[in-house]
Amino acid sequence: AQSVAQPEDQVNVAEGNPLTVKCTYSVSGNPYLFWYVQYPNRGLQFLLKYITGDNLVKGSYGFEAEFNKSQTSFHLKKPSALVSDSALYFCAVRDMRSNYQLIWGAGTKLIIKP
Amino acid sequence: GAGVSQSPRYKVAKRGQDVALRCDPISGHVSLFWYQQALGQGPEFLTYFQNEAQLDKSGLPSDRFFAERPEGSVSTLKIQRTQQEDSAVYLCASSLLQGPNTEAFFGQGTRLTVV
Repeated sequence: AQSVAQPEDQVNVAEGNPLTVKCTYSVSGNPYLFWYVQYPNRGLQFLLKYITGDNLVKGSYGFEAEFNKSQTSFHLKKPSALVSDSALYFCAVRDMRSNYQLIWGAGTKLIIKP
Repeated sequence: GAGVSQSPRYKVAKRGQDVALRCDPISGHVSLFWYQQALGQGPEFLTYFQNEAQLDKSGLPSDRFFAERPEGSVSTLKIQRTQQEDSAVYLCASSLLQGPNTEAFFGQGTRLTVV
């Protein structure tokens, strides 16, 4: 079965420090991976995606993610966290068998402290 | 429109009441998805449209749930005889093309509370 795991319910980082939000996946075939962010009372916003090519993907708001095939991971990273990065982050993978619906992780709450 | 628009933003329904949730996708977007998001969870797939055709409704939890997109743009998710377990945020997403590498754009969601 295809699935996504976000092992951390919450990540706390001090402002200015690097941040990592973890994601691992299980799919058959090549993975199509996505990161979205959800601010309070706002919709899910697309951050970045991995389709093919370079393992390091750059996205919006200074975020990047590293695809690691051997570890089946797609961790979200940012070199220097901002308080405004505090939000709920979701990792998702395309279900290639089923009209490309997204299969989602449970989400990780990121808290950046000043 | 500039983005995906959903209405109403909030809906409180009495148990047994029927509700209709509306989604206006980005103009010209072919694909439209409905997801259900329970508190503290990731979204769960409900149904998928390609233009006006409902190609996948495997995620609809019961026959009380019905979705349509008659003209290939606006979509409505209808829930009949609402139950407390239907309380969730209902998200609509659209994408320009059908394909695995196209990102979906989400509306703000409709928060349904069944009392």
